[in-house]
Amino acid sequence: AQSVTQPDIHITVSEGASLELRCNYSYGATPYLFWYVQSPGQGLQLLLKYFSGDTLVQGIKGFEAEFKRSQSSFNLRKPSVHWSDAAEYFCAVGLYNNNDMRFGAGTRLTVKP
Amino acid sequence: DTAVSQTPKYLVTQMGNDKSIKCEQNLGHDTMYWYKQDSKKFLKIMFSYNNKELIINETVPNRFSPKSPDKAHLNLHINSLELGDSAVYFCASSLETGFFSEQYFGPGTRLTVT
Repeated sequence: AQSVTQPDIHITVSEGASLELRCNYSYGATPYLFWYVQSPGQGLQLLLKYFSGDTLVQGIKGFEAEFKRSQSSFNLRKPSVHWSDAAEYFCAVGLYNNNDMRFGAGTRLTVKP
Repeated sequence: DTAVSQTPKYLVTQMGNDKSIKCEQNLGHDTMYWYKQDSKKFLKIMFSYNNKELIINETVPNRFSPKSPDKAHLNLHINSLELGDSAVYFCASSLETGFFSEQYFGPGTRLTVT
């Protein structure tokens, strides 16, 4: 069955430190992958997406993600975290067969001063 | 200037009641969606709707029904509310149907059923 796993429920990093949020997917066909951010009290906002081509994808707010087919992963990275990055981050996979999206359970990011 | 808005932001009600959540988008999009986010933060699509087609997630009880008075609105009606309906409900819209078209989300409505 198609699924998206975010192994880390909660991550804390210091401001200015680098960040990597993990995402693994299980899907038989070519995956279409997304990262969304949800700030407190807000809806989800698309950070970046991967459909094909270059496996390193640049997104908004200084985020990037790398698609690794061999590891079934699409990890989100940022070289230097800002306090405003504290939020919930969701990885999602687009299901080509029914045009649906499936979301992971999210990773909550806390940024220490 | 809010792109996708929902009302109310919070809704507390008793079991058995019927309630509605309103959603409006001012982006000129053709497709709108409703998602349910449960207490464990899992986000699941409930419906997608454009002026041609309503697609219902088969796991959604028929107590839930979307109603669209026009292209800019997709309201969610819930009959005979149950405790398990407690969740945050998100409305979203996109230019076209499907994940190829970026979805814009509203701020969510937290529904609590007592």
